[in-house]
Formats: sequence, structure tokens, C-alpha cells
Amino acid sequence: DVKVTQSSRYLVKRTGEKVFLECVQDMDHENMFWYRQDPGLGLRLIYFSYDVKMKEKGDIPEGYSVSREKKERFSLILESASTNQTSMYLCASTPMGGTSNQPQHFGDGTRLSIL
Amino acid sequence: QKEVEQNSGPLSVPEGAIASLNCTYSDRGSQSFFWYRQYSGKSPELIMSIYSNGDKEDGRFTAQLNKASQYVSLLIRDSQPSDSATYLCAVSVMDSSYKLIFGSGTRLLVRP
Repeated sequence: DVKVTQSSRYLVKRTGEKVFLECVQDMDHENMFWYRQDPGLGLRLIYFSYDVKMKEKGDIPEGYSVSREKKERFSLILESASTNQTSMYLCASTPMGGTSNQPQHFGDGTRLSIL
Repeated sequence: QKEVEQNSGPLSVPEGAIASLNCTYSDRGSQSFFWYRQYSGKSPELIMSIYSNGDKEDGRFTAQLNKASQYVSLLIRDSQPSDSATYLCAVSVMDSSYKLIFGSGTRLLVRP
């Protein structure tokens, strides 16, 4: 079974802080994704990575950056946290070939509150 | 702007009934379609994938795809209270082999 692990289930930070969300997958997947999920808006893609050190912007990258130094780890960084970044953050992965023939597997999510 | 539309619900059905969940999408080039179940406070879990027109059955679940009409549906037979959750439809994007577009989900309530 695919295992995608997010470092924290709940996180509370203050406005202006630099925040790191970590995600690790154990299936040697090439592709990794960061989403945020808000009521009524569904899942929105922030960034994805298709290889080590490779990344592409998703639909809502503003205010975020990512890092992928190792294949199994994909980090989401909030450069200067703001209250509108309070949300559920979900990490996902798929093997090479992407979603044309493989579903995305999700971690348990991190509920982030910015005060 | 590529879109995936779902009725937000809640869809309320009695235990033992068939629940029918629908999803429409705008990208005619979409090739892969997924249904995820998400319990409150939890992450989405995959329950069905479908890639070609027609029906695909897995236990109590049947996914139906009609590419010409751009809709995909999920039928849950013999609904159980444990099926109460939000069901997310996800559709691949023609111009990307990586991206999925998610609907905002339909909340299903199964009454005992």
C-alpha cells in the first residue's frame, strides 16, 4: 500500500512566520503534489513536482514555495504566513506516467491555523 | 477554465437504498476519472477509477462514464450509514499528464 506521511496533523502559527509543511512517500513515486482544501472550493493545486529539484506552479502558488531535494520528500513553504492561508493542506503522490493511468494517493492532511 | 461540477448536497438516502452521485466536467480531452471518498476531517481515499465509456463495478460501487455527454457518476448499492461522507469527483486534464481537477464534492447522508 502507498504510504504518504505528512509531518503534522494540526499546526498553529502566527502571521508573518515562515512555515514548513513536510510530506514523505515510501513508494518511490516520481510525482508529488500539494493542495489546499477549503469549504465549498474543493481541492486546489498549489504546486507539484515531477522529479527531484523539478517543480511547477499549480493554480494558486502565490505566497507559497516548495522544495524537493530528495525523491521521497516534498516540502511546502509559506514564506510569510497570513490568515488567508488558514486551511487544510493535503499532499499526494503518483508514480511516473501521472494521472493518465494512475490515481493520486493522499496523506492524512495538515490542518493549519494562522493567528 | 477547466471545471468539474458536483451538486454539494446533502444527498439523503435511507439505509439499503441506491445512492446516485453525479459529476460533469468541461474538458473534452479528459481521459481519466476518479471517485474519492472523504470522511469529515480526513483525507480523500480512492474508491473507483474509470478510463473508458460504460460501467465499472467494484463490490457495491459502480462508476459510469459517458464522455460524449461529459459526465461521470457513482452508484452505491445497499447504502450503509458508514457510507456517509463527501464524495469527490476528480478528472484528468488533457494538457497535463500530472494534474487532476477536483469537484467540490457531494455530501452523502445515509439514514439508518
